[in-house]
Amino acid sequence: GAGVSQSPSNKVTEKGKDVELRCDPISGHTALYWYRQSLGQGLEFLIYFQGNSAPDKSGLPSDRFSAERTGGSVSTLTIQRTQQEDSAVYLCASSLNPRGLDNEQFFGPGTRLTVL
Amino acid sequence: KNQVEQSPQSLIILEGKNCTLQCNYTVSPFSNLRWYKQDTGRGPVSLTIMTFSENTKSNGRYTATLDADTKQSSLHITASQLSDSASYICVVSASHSASKLTFGTGTRLQVTL
Repeated sequence: GAGVSQSPSNKVTEKGKDVELRCDPISGHTALYWYRQSLGQGLEFLIYFQGNSAPDKSGLPSDRFSAERTGGSVSTLTIQRTQQEDSAVYLCASSLNPRGLDNEQFFGPGTRLTVL
Repeated sequence: KNQVEQSPQSLIILEGKNCTLQCNYTVSPFSNLRWYKQDTGRGPVSLTIMTFSENTKSNGRYTATLDADTKQSSLHITASQLSDSASYICVVSASHSASKLTFGTGTRLQVTL
């Protein structure tokens, strides 16, 4: 597709379960970002990939959160042993370049995660 | 600490009216500033980008201004339409950082009949 896609669009899970969120960036975009948006809050940076490596993981809130990117394309955000405070919309974005005027980030529609 | 503050937090206007949203930032060293529009249930979409040397840029009925000296930006919406109802997010990029943009918490705009 032409844009960033994410799946699933909605995920309801029970506390303590693991979840995997998927992001398909725009083809050719080397930079990929994961954000979390809680109700009424701004976007919270989680992790940034350049190619398959993650030079900045500083936003991951705990060791229950991890992410990987393979083939310089698809990325998966995994949350282990989910907690109710993990409930939020998880947004993925990609950009052609991480710096300069080409650093416009194109966002996916997000995955709404609800932890019961 | 890099920060972006937006005002007002929310705004309700009648269709056809104009409005101006404000953004103040303390990000340094400054690279560029973008305004994003986020419709409910969707990801943000970039409206405008401004660099240090630019002080105004238009995209249809949206006009962004930038005062790099006072570190302020505004987004002016002319002749508002119902479809303008959304959150508008100011995002500032620091030139030394490849990864971290600083996001404002947004202004939620509602356009009514």
